[in-house]
Amino acid sequence: EAGVAQSPRYKIIEKRQSVAFWCNPISGHATLYWYQQILGQGPKLLIQFQNNGVVDDSQLPKDRFSAERLKGVDSTLKIQPAKLEDSAVYLCASSLGAGWGSTDTQYFGPGTRLTVL
Amino acid sequence: GDSVTQMEGPVTLSEEAFLTINCTYTATGYPSLFWYVQYPGEGLQLLLKATKADDKGSNKGFEATYRKETTSFHLEKGSVQVSDSAVYFCALRMDSSYKLIFGSGTRLLVRP
Repeated sequence: EAGVAQSPRYKIIEKRQSVAFWCNPISGHATLYWYQQILGQGPKLLIQFQNNGVVDDSQLPKDRFSAERLKGVDSTLKIQPAKLEDSAVYLCASSLGAGWGSTDTQYFGPGTRLTVL
Repeated sequence: GDSVTQMEGPVTLSEEAFLTINCTYTATGYPSLFWYVQYPGEGLQLLLKATKADDKGSNKGFEATYRKETTSFHLEKGSVQVSDSAVYFCALRMDSSYKLIFGSGTRLLVRP
């Protein structure tokens, strides 16, 4: 079974530029998550989609970050304009159902490492 | 709010040594607890989990027991291998929610 795919794997941009990350979840997975992992810290949830609807975006900096999941499959996370503190690894994960419940596991992609200069 | 605290790394061990990585949590209810592992250049992988008090999760020789009285979920392995070198993350999830709350991670380095 193919895992969660992400691209690009690495991105270097100047501050104030824009950048977009792409994620393709495991086939059939209804729920998709974007996490931000700053160096030396654990991942922090930015946004969760159930199919193509947003379930939780309470920790997404909406003045500069946006995300969409058209057609309930793959997703794009965008930053515009980027700041130095956005340097991090952006992880995409997916799960079969709604994420809660003892049997629902989140599967993570390899991440996109963003460096903002 | 809910949070997870892990011991700081790096933890450096010789091959076949005994491993313990400490994890404690703070939560208003009764969370499910997880250990994820991140090998170099790869994404996070679920290592093991426990969903209620006194449950023991185990996988690949790793074990962790959900201790409600000490709010802990320490990761142990009796004999580590070089291939266990990775970053280990403890995480919790409340039954009423879906998002994982992670600790800061502990890097393990196993020397031959």
